[in-house]
Amino acid sequence: AQSVTQLDSQVPVFEEAPVELRCNYSSSVSVYLFWYVQYPNQGLQLLLKYLSGSTLVKGINGFEAEFNKSQTSFHLRKPSVHISDTAEYFCAVRGQAGTALIFGKGTTLSVSS
Amino acid sequence: SAVISQKPSRDICQRGTSLTIQCQVDSQVTMMFWYRQQPGQSLTLIATANQGSEATYESGFVIDKFPISRPNLTFSTLTVSNMSPEDSSIYLCSVDRDNTGELFFGEGSRLTVL
Repeated sequence: AQSVTQLDSQVPVFEEAPVELRCNYSSSVSVYLFWYVQYPNQGLQLLLKYLSGSTLVKGINGFEAEFNKSQTSFHLRKPSVHISDTAEYFCAVRGQAGTALIFGKGTTLSVSS
Repeated sequence: SAVISQKPSRDICQRGTSLTIQCQVDSQVTMMFWYRQQPGQSLTLIATANQGSEATYESGFVIDKFPISRPNLTFSTLTVSNMSPEDSSIYLCSVDRDNTGELFFGEGSRLTVL
């Protein structure tokens, strides 16, 4: 079975600063990895995904993540955040055997001016 | 991308009643998944529903409370039975539509139980 640990429940940053949201996973099989964003009172939106190939994945809104198999991590980064990036971010993992998506507990990113 | 429609999008229910949520997909899919997102929480898997077999429930979820039907490859329902305020959540269905590994989500059904 897969599991996901988001290492920070809250990350406060100032506008235009870089940010990293950390995610570690555990799995006995190869995995697919995802980051989702949820703005207040809105639905889930896919930020980016790693299915195969290049370990550096670029997503929407200037976010990127790097799959590190040896460290079982999939950290999300953005070089310069905006106020509008304030939201809840979820890391999720899925095994390749047609299993469900397992979500981390989420990280609240708060961007202030 | 997949078109997944859920009904109702939101509802306010009385304690002790039951509500059935429908999930319709625009193409045939083998596996459908039901999730719950309680207020301020992450998404938790309730069950996996395959057409032609009984749904498989995760720990903490039981069929009597969350009966699921999967009559064909494009449709599923989740019933929340004998509701209490603790059942106030967003319920989402999800499908693996194109076997790429990505799951697609419906817009969710927001239930408030008074």
